[in-house]
Amino acid sequence: QVQLVQSGAEVRKPGSSVRVSCKASGGTFSNYAINWVRLVPGQGLEWMGGVIPVFDTPNYAQKFRGRIAISAGESMNTVYMELSGLTYQDTAVYYCARLRSAAYNDMWSGQLDSWGQGTLVTVSS
Amino acid sequence: EIVMTQAPLSLSVTPGQPASISCKSSESLLHSDGKTYLYWYLQRPGQPPQLLICEVSKRFSGVPDRFSGSGSGTDFTLEISRVEAEDVGIYYCMQSLLLPLTFGGGTKVEIK
Repeated sequence: QVQLVQSGAEVRKPGSSVRVSCKASGGTFSNYAINWVRLVPGQGLEWMGGVIPVFDTPNYAQKFRGRIAISAGESMNTVYMELSGLTYQDTAVYYCARLRSAAYNDMWSGQLDSWGQGTLVTVSS
Repeated sequence: EIVMTQAPLSLSVTPGQPASISCKSSESLLHSDGKTYLYWYLQRPGQPPQLLICEVSKRFSGVPDRFSGSGSGTDFTLEISRVEAEDVGIYYCMQSLLLPLTFGGGTKVEIK
């Protein structure tokens, strides 16, 4: 059973960038879509984007386009999410999650069935 | 994007009593393959979300049978037949018919 292990908590200043990693422990991501979802304090879950490592072509939520980059490492067992232009509103717990496709020809339709432990990113001056 | 709307915002339930959460989508979640891409998650404090229900009504591995899902098209319901103390947390519905994946706003379940 592949587990998703994320990098540790980060503190950043407004305007800076942060990079969070998500590593598959006990396997690779193969051709699953690996997604990033965040939980902002007092708000709900928000999908930011994702990538299928074997294709390395990301999809992003409109809200984050222009300041987010999701990529896969060469070994295809690590996915990275970099968010730039940080504001106080980006203080959140960031999760990676594996999407197991349930559709014959659509790798983005299915269930987020395995999640990382979460990475707290705090934006503070 | 598909908008997911949950109700109520919160529930306070006596242990052993039932609970019901509604989720409505802004458009049908029925795919051309005949499946409906609606999921339910529970997020306990300090933990990542955990998958409860797949494709409207299929319990995920290890999920107790007191959890059940129903619905079709744009209207869906999660029911807990007898709430237990470990069921506290925030429940979310999610659609993956189309990108962006979208979640409902969440329903907080507390124990009386």
